[in-house]
Amino acid sequence: GAGVSQTPSNKVTEKGKYVELRCDPISGHTALYWYRQSLGQGPEFLIYFQGTGAADDSGLPNDRFFAVRPEGSVSTLKIQRTERGDSAVYLCASSQLGTLAGDTQYFGPGTRLTVL
Amino acid sequence: AQSVTQLDSHVSVSEGTPVLLRCNYSSSYSPSLFWYVQHPNKGLQLLLKYTSAATLVKGINGFEAEFKKSETSFHLTKPSAHMSDAAEYFCVVVGLFNTDKLIFGTGTRLQVFP
Repeated sequence: GAGVSQTPSNKVTEKGKYVELRCDPISGHTALYWYRQSLGQGPEFLIYFQGTGAADDSGLPNDRFFAVRPEGSVSTLKIQRTERGDSAVYLCASSQLGTLAGDTQYFGPGTRLTVL
Repeated sequence: AQSVTQLDSHVSVSEGTPVLLRCNYSSSYSPSLFWYVQHPNKGLQLLLKYTSAATLVKGINGFEAEFKKSETSFHLTKPSAHMSDAAEYFCVVVGLFNTDKLIFGTGTRLQVFP
């Protein structure tokens, strides 16, 4: 079956602009996660949804970052007033019920964001 | 707080020789631990996971890892490396008991020489 998909695969923007990154989870997965991977680092947690609600947003770095999942399926990560330090690969993952339920997180290929 | 430390940023082996990628964890309770692999331009893939059942965990592609509580370690091994094993490997721990977030180590890049 289809895996987690993310669009766009690459996004180049200018400092100060607004960007939206989209994630399509595996069909039927209730849990959805966003991570950010900077060059040479491991992924860092941003936010986790269970259904439509954000169960844990403790990883969002500041109020320029926001994510939604209005119908419990597709999610959008929104970044306002982008800064050069936001340049990274943004990864999305989904899980059937969640890691604490013993389920695996399946990752998408990521969106590479470059802020000039 | 939960954390993992990957002791080597780079490991180089010859094809057909054993692989050892080292990981130590820090946890205030019995952790759930994972190894993920990331091939160039591909998504992260789960190799194996430990969730307090058997301490020796077998994964895909001939990899296995052993949970050693006394040493707080979860090292990844493979008896014989293949060229296709060249990739970035991440040791991962689940966050605190009431959250689903994964905490990744900094990664180990495995090179396999012919």
